[in-house]
Amino acid sequence: ETGVTQSPTHLIKTRGQQVTLRCSSQSGHNTVSWYQQALGQGPQFIFQYYREEENGRGNFPPRFSGLQFPNYSSELNVNALELDDSALYLCASTSGGSGNTIYFGEGSWLTVV
Amino acid sequence: GQNIDQPTEMTATEGAIVQINCTYQTSGFNGLFWYQQHAGEAPTFLSYNVLDGLEEKGRFSSFLSRSKGYSYLLLKELQMKDSASYLCAVSYQTGANNLFFGTGTRLTVIP
Repeated sequence: ETGVTQSPTHLIKTRGQQVTLRCSSQSGHNTVSWYQQALGQGPQFIFQYYREEENGRGNFPPRFSGLQFPNYSSELNVNALELDDSALYLCASTSGGSGNTIYFGEGSWLTVV
Repeated sequence: GQNIDQPTEMTATEGAIVQINCTYQTSGFNGLFWYQQHAGEAPTFLSYNVLDGLEEKGRFSSFLSRSKGYSYLLLKELQMKDSASYLCAVSYQTGANNLFFGTGTRLTVIP
């Protein structure tokens, strides 16, 4: 139990649609990041939010966007879904600073058909 | 990624010891994490190394050599439940949690 909760746990979308995934970070954690994990691969960093501002981004196109709210919960939005977007989407939170443990949520399984 | 390399698969016997190696690009290094991930589940934190040496935590230990860009995870007294993927992840930025992950090592523990 990491204190990081994500919803929904599973969903199926059609190519071209839009999806919103949600994350509630562990209490007191002001930094949240999102990762995409394709089958058989390690997670890949999408972006990070600190105090409601994006402050780091991986190699993902602009149709991947996010929000962080004053209570530090977060959303990942993906527009114009493609088949290759099918993956496990992981939210991770930390209290920030070097050396702080990064906790992952259970993830949201997205299937694009 | 930043050339995070680890073996794809390993098999070991229940009760034995196994060492999972990880190499990474040293430039900008700011810390190394090991995570365990069971099939269909999220990664769970095992260890964090930022200084050279061995960190021991029960049956699991993790070692780091910053000059060599090398780490290993040592699992002792293997149990069947240790069958999982083990992910090596490196941080290259102070205060950030954008980790670069390897593809993971799938460990199978056999009786």
